[in-house]
Order: sequence, then structure tokens, then C-alpha cells
Amino acid sequence: GEDVEQSLFLSVREGDSSVINCTYTDSSSTYLYWYKQEPGAGLQLLTYIFSNMDMKQDQRLTVLLNKKDKHLSLRIADTQTGDSAIYFCAERTDSSASKIIFGSGTRLSIRP
Amino acid sequence: DTAVSQTPKYLVTQMGNDKSIKCEQNLGHDTMYWYKQDSKKFLKIMFSYNNKELIINETVPNRFSPKSPDKAHLNLHINSLELGDSAVYFCASSQSRRAGSTDTQYFGPGTRLTVL
Repeated sequence: GEDVEQSLFLSVREGDSSVINCTYTDSSSTYLYWYKQEPGAGLQLLTYIFSNMDMKQDQRLTVLLNKKDKHLSLRIADTQTGDSAIYFCAERTDSSASKIIFGSGTRLSIRP
Repeated sequence: DTAVSQTPKYLVTQMGNDKSIKCEQNLGHDTMYWYKQDSKKFLKIMFSYNNKELIINETVPNRFSPKSPDKAHLNLHINSLELGDSAVYFCASSQSRRAGSTDTQYFGPGTRLTVL
């Protein structure tokens, strides 16, 4: 079956690193994505990783993929107040035509 | 330059009414989607169209009917609205699903539907 799970909340101090974790069940996942949703807005693609990669870095964002454990993480370095949002992990699999399965979202809050 | 736009942004209506939400994308994408996001922020796909053809139809009541007049538009019509239909509805689009494509989806800003 297809399932993507995330913890619902994460609180970090401004300037620290945030690590948001995600697990998925479908081993045929081809692409995995991280989307960001700010209050009252739609989802914005942050980054994605192809399943044959184990790491991708883009400025303050680092994505780690452990395909054996079906675990994906997003690390945000030097977390700022503007990073407060809900972060959605999502997977695309070849077994579900044109369908991307989203996790429940992790609400990241930043404390001073 | 809005890539994926939806109208209206807010919709408040009475139970039993019929309403439509419109979506347009100017990205030249072939595939469009409708998602429902409930009050707990769970995001669930409802429909997907590729070149005006329905390719995904999740378990959604028959009261919901998508219509795609051309590949740049995907409208959602809802009959006999119920309290449980209150949610934020997101439209999205992506390039055709083909080998090597990331199938990245671009989302509209959402339509907040409130059924009283």
C-alpha cells in the first residue's frame, strides 16, 4: 500500500537546524518531494530527490534519503522565522498513475 | 504572472446549494489535479486530468464533478453541498508523466469553502 508518515509538530530555536523526518511504504517510489505551505497559501515545491540519490543539497536545505529504511529527511540550516510553515513530504510511485501521495505535514514553529 | 490561479479564493454558501470553483494554469502543462485539504491539513487527491481526459478519480461522492474544457482549465462543480464539504480545495498542474519527468506539481493558492 501507499502511505507517507510524518510527525505533526516540530519546534526549534531561531538559528538552530531543523530536521523534519518522513517515512514511506512504497518501495517503488521514483521521486520524493518536500513542499512548504505558509499560512493561507498553497503548497510550494521546495526540493525533490530522485530515488537513486541519497543526498541533495540546495543552499540551506539538505535532503537525505535512506531507501533501505524508506526514510526521507529535510534539514534546514540556520532556521529563520520565515521558515515557519507546514512541510509536506510526498512520494511519486510508478504503481500509482500520476498520483503523488502526501504526508500529513509537519508544522514547524520557530522560537526566539 | 500567476502560474496556477483559482477563483474564488473564499466561498461561503448554504447547505444544499450547488457551487463551482475554477482553475486555470498558464504553464503549458498537460495534467491538472484537484486536492482537498481538511481542517487538520491532510491533503487528499480527488481528481486528475491529462489532456482533458480523467485519469484519477479517487473515492469522491458523485456530487463532485470535474470538468476540463481544455488542458489549461479544470473546474470543480459541487452539487448539494454538505457541511462536511467545508475545506480548502487546491488545484495543481504538472507536465505530462513521461520517462525522466519529475512530475513536479505546481499548486494554486486554494479556495476556502465554508458550508453553513
